[in-house]
Amino acid sequence: AQTVTQSQPEMSVQEAETVTLSCTYDTSESDYYLFWYKQPPSRQMILVIRQEAYKQQNATENRFSVNFQKAAKSFSLKISDSQLGDAAMYFCAYRSAPGANSKLTFGKGITLSVRP
Amino acid sequence: ETGVTQTPRHLVMGMTNKKSLKCEQHLGHNAMYWYKQSAKKPLELMFVYNFKEQTENNSVPSRFSPECPNSSHLFLHLHTLQPEDSALYLCASSQGRVLTDTQYFGPGTRLTVL
Repeated sequence: AQTVTQSQPEMSVQEAETVTLSCTYDTSESDYYLFWYKQPPSRQMILVIRQEAYKQQNATENRFSVNFQKAAKSFSLKISDSQLGDAAMYFCAYRSAPGANSKLTFGKGITLSVRP
Repeated sequence: ETGVTQTPRHLVMGMTNKKSLKCEQHLGHNAMYWYKQSAKKPLELMFVYNFKEQTENNSVPSRFSPECPNSSHLFLHLHTLQPEDSALYLCASSQGRVLTDTQYFGPGTRLTVL
C-alpha cells in the first residue's frame, strides 16, 4: 500500500522569504501523480501544484515549485516570496495511475504560518 | 467562491438521528467525491462517483449512504452515527480522469455526533 509522510507538523516563515515543505512517499509503482493541496482557515482545499511521475521536469506554478526526486521518493514544495495569504495547512497527496485499485492517499499535513 | 457548495456548514446530531449532507458543483464536472477529515489524521477518501455511477467505496460503514442523482449533486445520508464519526466532511469535483485531474473542494460540513 502507498503511504505519504509529512514529518514536519508545523513550519514558520518570514514574509517575503522562501520556505520548503517536505513530503516523502512509499510506492512500488512507476506511474503515478503527486499533488500539493492548500487548506486555509476557510477549510476549502485548493490544488496548489501537480506532478506526473513520468515527467522529469519539476512543476512550477508562479511562486510555487516542487523538487521531485523520484529515486528518493521525495516531493517537496518550495514557496518563494512568502505572503501572509500563504498561511494554511498544506497536504501532500499521492495518486497511482488509473485502475481498479487506484486510490488517493494524503499525508497528515503541515501547518504553515507566515510572520509579518 | 470555488463553484462547489456544501450545506449545511455545521451539523450537530444525536446518534439516533437521520440527516443528509448536500453538495452541489457548478463547474460542469463529471466526477464527485466525499472525503472525511478528522483531527490529526490524513484526509480519507470515502466515495467516488463518475457520471452518476459509484466507482469507489473505500470500506465505509453502511451508516453512511451516498446518493448521486445527477453529475451536479451529491448527497451523503447519515443514520445511527457514532461519536467517532464527528469530523469535517468535504465534497469535491473534477473533470476528466477520476482522481487524477484537479479536484475542486467545497468548504465542508463540520459534523458533531453527540
